[in-house]
Amino acid sequence: RKEVEQDPGPFNVPEGATVAFNCTYSNSASQSFFWYRQDCRKEPKLLMSVYSSGNEDGRFTAQLNRASQYISLLIRDSKLSDSATYLCVVTTASSASKIIFGSGTRLSIRP
Amino acid sequence: GAGVSQTPSNKVTEKGKYVELRCDPISGHTALYWYRQSLGQGPEFLIYFQGTGAADDSGLPNDRFFAVRPEGSVSTLKIQRTERGDSAVYLCASSLTSDRAETQYFGPGTRLLVL
Repeated sequence: RKEVEQDPGPFNVPEGATVAFNCTYSNSASQSFFWYRQDCRKEPKLLMSVYSSGNEDGRFTAQLNRASQYISLLIRDSKLSDSATYLCVVTTASSASKIIFGSGTRLSIRP
Repeated sequence: GAGVSQTPSNKVTEKGKYVELRCDPISGHTALYWYRQSLGQGPEFLIYFQGTGAADDSGLPNDRFFAVRPEGSVSTLKIQRTERGDSAVYLCASSLTSDRAETQYFGPGTRLLVL
């Protein structure tokens, strides 16, 4: 089993829709959680950190569920420019090597 | 300000050759990371520097891979006796500190193709 798992998608949704996807992690000692966005043939860029209390940034909401060991990303009122691959990142406090990226979820927004 | 830069942007080499990939982190960032990304996969951690020293190189796949950061800024990833399986995008990232919660800023990557 992979340490960090994501549904690869693609999620193909119409503009204006709400879309959500999850990322599960296997290490209960995981400490920090992030969502990165990666456009085709570009480098990953931080979208948002995920805090225990959940956090919102405009149309984006991230949640952490430690009991079930998953994080989620919700995108409201999706835009064409949201089309990208969304990478889940999980780290532990003990070692830099435990910076684990998921394989990414591909999102495509259609007009 | 300037972001993370990587050179070359593309590198084509033949099996068995030696290659060097360079990373210029954001000025003042003490932590530097190398990752490898294959098609359809997320970045895979290779090595992490705190200052000049390799704090964790446990992600390097074998002894053909080596990285240095002699002055605590620019880093070079070196691959000896390249194999076709080494073909991937090699990404470098830097962060202000090595705190796990710190944002990592990625460079555009070097696309390595081993023929």
